Amino acid sequence: GDSVTQMEGPVTLSEEAFLTINCTYTATGYPSLFWYVQYPGEGLQLLLKATKADDKGSNKGFEATYRKETTSFHLEKGSVQVSDSAVYFCALLQSGGTSYGKLTFGQGTILTVHP
Amino acid sequence: EPEVTQTPSHQVTQMGQEVILRCVPISNHLYFYWYRQILGQKVEFLVSFYNNEISEKSEIFDDQFSVERPDGSNFTLKIRSTKLEDSAMYFCASRDRLSSYNSPLHFGNGTRLTVT
Repeated sequence: GDSVTQMEGPVTLSEEAFLTINCTYTATGYPSLFWYVQYPGEGLQLLLKATKADDKGSNKGFEATYRKETTSFHLEKGSVQVSDSAVYFCALLQSGGTSYGKLTFGQGTILTVHP
Repeated sequence: EPEVTQTPSHQVTQMGQEVILRCVPISNHLYFYWYRQILGQKVEFLVSFYNNEISEKSEIFDDQFSVERPDGSNFTLKIRSTKLEDSAMYFCASRDRLSSYNSPLHFGNGTRLTVT
C-alpha cells in the first residue's frame, strides 16, 4: 500500500538557518503530495501542495518539488524564523478510485527554531 | 476564512464508557473525514463520509466506532465502549464538492481523548 517516510526529528535550528525536511513516498500511479503544518495547540493546516511531477509548491517561504524519479517531496526554507517552530507532516493523496480524500501521512517532524 | 470546529478540545473518560466527539465542518463542504493520531505516531485515516453514508473506512474503524451527521451542520464520531488504546488526538476534516479530487482537506484543531 501507499506509504510516506519523513526524516527523523526533532530538528533544532537557529533563526535564519536553512531548513530541509526530507520526505519520500511509495505509491502506485500519480498521487498528489502535500505538506501540512501543526503549530502548538492548533490543528493541521495545509502549507503547500503539488499535484504532478516537477510541480513546485510554495507558501510562506517554504518550497517543495515533486520529484517522481526519486519519489521525493522535500520541504525547504532558506531562512527559518522562531514562528516556524511546529510539527511538519508530509502527506500523499492517491488519485482516482474510491480513495480520494484519504490522506496517507508521514510520521511528522518536530521543528524548533531558537532566536 | 471558514474553519472546521471540533469540540471538546480535551475529553477524559473511563474505559468502557461511550464518547461522542463533535465536529462542525465548513458549511458548503460535503465530504467529511475522521483521522486520529496516537501520541508519537502517524496521523491515521479512520473514515470518510459522503451523502449520508460511509464511503470508506480503515481497519481501525471497527464496530465500536460509528459516525453520524444528525443535522445539517454537525458530524460526530462515537466510540461505544472506549479502550485504553483509543487514547489519541482525533481530527475532523472536510472538503467541498466543487474541488477536484486532489484538493486539500481542511482540518479542525482536534479533540484529545484520554481513556483512563
